[in-house]
Amino acid sequence: EAGVVQSPRYKIIEKKQPVAFWCNPISGHNTLYWYLQNLGQGPELLIRYENEEAVDDSQLPKDRFSAERLKGVDSTLKIQPAELGDSAVYLCASSFRVGEQYFGPGTRLTVT
Amino acid sequence: QKEVEQDPGPLSVPEGAIVSLNCTYSNSAFQYFMWYRQYSRKGPELLMYTYSSGNKEDGRFTAQVDKSSKYISLFIRDSQPSDSATYLCAMMVEYGNKLVFGAGTILRVKS
Repeated sequence: EAGVVQSPRYKIIEKKQPVAFWCNPISGHNTLYWYLQNLGQGPELLIRYENEEAVDDSQLPKDRFSAERLKGVDSTLKIQPAELGDSAVYLCASSFRVGEQYFGPGTRLTVT
Repeated sequence: QKEVEQDPGPLSVPEGAIVSLNCTYSNSAFQYFMWYRQYSRKGPELLMYTYSSGNKEDGRFTAQVDKSSKYISLFIRDSQPSDSATYLCAMMVEYGNKLVFGAGTILRVKS
């Protein structure tokens, strides 16, 4: 069974530029999550989708971050414009059962 | 104070040692307790999943939950160099779907 796929794996951009991350969850997993992980910290939830609906986006900085999950499968997370403090690893996870979340390898973003 | 506290380490042990990793938490509503392993430049990998109190064993790994003390542990027996990674504890309330993670403990097993 294929795991959660994310791309790109690494991204370097200048501040004020836009950036987008893509995630393909495990087949059959209705719940999809985007997390932010800073160096030396655990992941922090940005947004959770149940199928196509964003059911928890309370931690998403909506002035610059946006996300979508069209057709309830793949998802895209966008930042526009990026700031220096956005440098981090962006993780996508998916789940079928409560609590059992499976993570992708992440996208490491560096904003210069 | 964070909801979940975890000693960041690093914890360095010789190969074959028994490793004990721990987390404390403040939210008594947590009912689901997980341990994730994260290798460098990889995503977290689910190791153990426990509901409510008690012990759970899977091979060399044992997870313990003591809700009265708000304390959870992960024991690794016969540790191997391949166990060298960051171990993250995570917790969730009943009927919730949001994991709250600890900061992770770096483990190094020396051969």
